[in-house]
Amino acid sequence: AQTVTQSQPEMSVQEAETVTLSCTYDTSENNYYLFWYKQPPSRQMILVIRQEAYKQQNATENRFSVNFQKAAKSFSLKISDSQLGDTAMYFCAFFPGGGSSNTGKLIFGQGTTLQVKP
Amino acid sequence: EADIYQTPRYLVIGTGKKITLECSQTMGHDKMYWYQQDPGMELHLIHYSYGVNSTEKGDLSSESTVSRIRTEHFPLTLESARPSHTSQYLCASSGPYTGELFFGEGSRLTVL
Repeated sequence: AQTVTQSQPEMSVQEAETVTLSCTYDTSENNYYLFWYKQPPSRQMILVIRQEAYKQQNATENRFSVNFQKAAKSFSLKISDSQLGDTAMYFCAFFPGGGSSNTGKLIFGQGTTLQVKP
Repeated sequence: EADIYQTPRYLVIGTGKKITLECSQTMGHDKMYWYQQDPGMELHLIHYSYGVNSTEKGDLSSESTVSRIRTEHFPLTLESARPSHTSQYLCASSGPYTGELFFGEGSRLTVL
């Protein structure tokens, strides 16, 4: 079965510093998609960044970047120059490609609550 | 910005009442989902649909039911609400290829 694990339930970082959130996954697929979602307190869940497994280059979106290690099945999120608005719960998610194990459903990790301190 | 809408955003009701949480999307997505989430906790898939007249139960057992009569509309119903149903319910939809989900703002239900 495919699983996603976020081993850090809670993290904190000082404003303007850098923080890395960890995510590991388990799959036998070769083609798949990985995501990081952000859920601010009492606000809408939004996509932060997406990575296609067939792309070797790590995805970046402004201050957000990933370290995608396919062989290690690791997909960490780095937030640079942390801002107070980055305070949120972050979810890592996995979507299998077109293989036989594709249930068509996104598989989420347990989430990491990030607190950015002033 | 994603075009998926949920109503009501907040609902406080008494035990035994019937409630329907509405979810609509304007992106033409075939796939739609309902998640249940307690504050600060992980997401649990309770229902999903891959198109009109298609509904399936998710990974977490739920006493709620859903229907999908129109592509854009995926309401969730609780026939008789109980305090154990108190939670946040998130609706989402996705396109056909990447699995990327677009979420609504959520419906926070409190049953007294």
